[in-house]
Amino acid sequence: DIQMTQSPSTLSASVGDRVTITCRASQSISDWLAWYQQKPGKAPKLLIYKSSSLEGGVPSRFSGSGSGTEFTLTISSLQPDDFGTYYCQQYDSYSVNIFGQGTKLEIK
Amino acid sequence: QVQLQESGPGLVKPSETLSLTCAVSGYSISNGYFWGWIRQPPGKGLEWIGSIYRIGSTYYNPSLKSRVTISVDTSSNQFSLKLSSVTAADTAVYYCARSRPNDLTGYPDYWGQGTLVTVSS
Repeated sequence: DIQMTQSPSTLSASVGDRVTITCRASQSISDWLAWYQQKPGKAPKLLIYKSSSLEGGVPSRFSGSGSGTEFTLTISSLQPDDFGTYYCQQYDSYSVNIFGQGTKLEIK
Repeated sequence: QVQLQESGPGLVKPSETLSLTCAVSGYSISNGYFWGWIRQPPGKGLEWIGSIYRIGSTYYNPSLKSRVTISVDTSSNQFSLKLSSVTAADTAVYYCARSRPNDLTGYPDYWGQGTLVTVSS
């Protein structure tokens, strides 16, 4: 069963900062990884798929990288609207936990 | 524009069956993609419940498999979730979602707004 672990669990950063969130898989998932942003009271929004492919309409300040077991989501220059909780999701195979536990991003 | 809308009771008694329906507009379920359910307990993370690909191909979270049934009604362009023998631990916001397929799995690209289901007597 593949386990997904995100770090950090919470993150506080200032507007303009470069922010990186890490997601690790317990075994190789190739590049079958997606990233989501969730605002309070809203459904998650797809940002990145296949590790580094940007979903249409998502600002180019978001980028993803990685393969195998280690992946990162980077926001190149943090904007006020980027607050929320970020989740990674593996889609290599079905398991009990296909999502990471989430990273809550707060704007200082 | 693809839209999904969950509907169903907001309150279910312990030991009973939770039933939700997701109405899809802007895309025909018969045309492909995975259709599934994801839930989020209050203040917690996301948990995948299961997915269905067209009719007959269902995939369930191993931890919930014995209690979950997902079905599709192509005539009404809807799909449904049934979760039996519920307890307070099943209290959550339930999302329906369309997933882009990758072999037998996928990743959600369109989500419903979510519906809160509380399990309580």
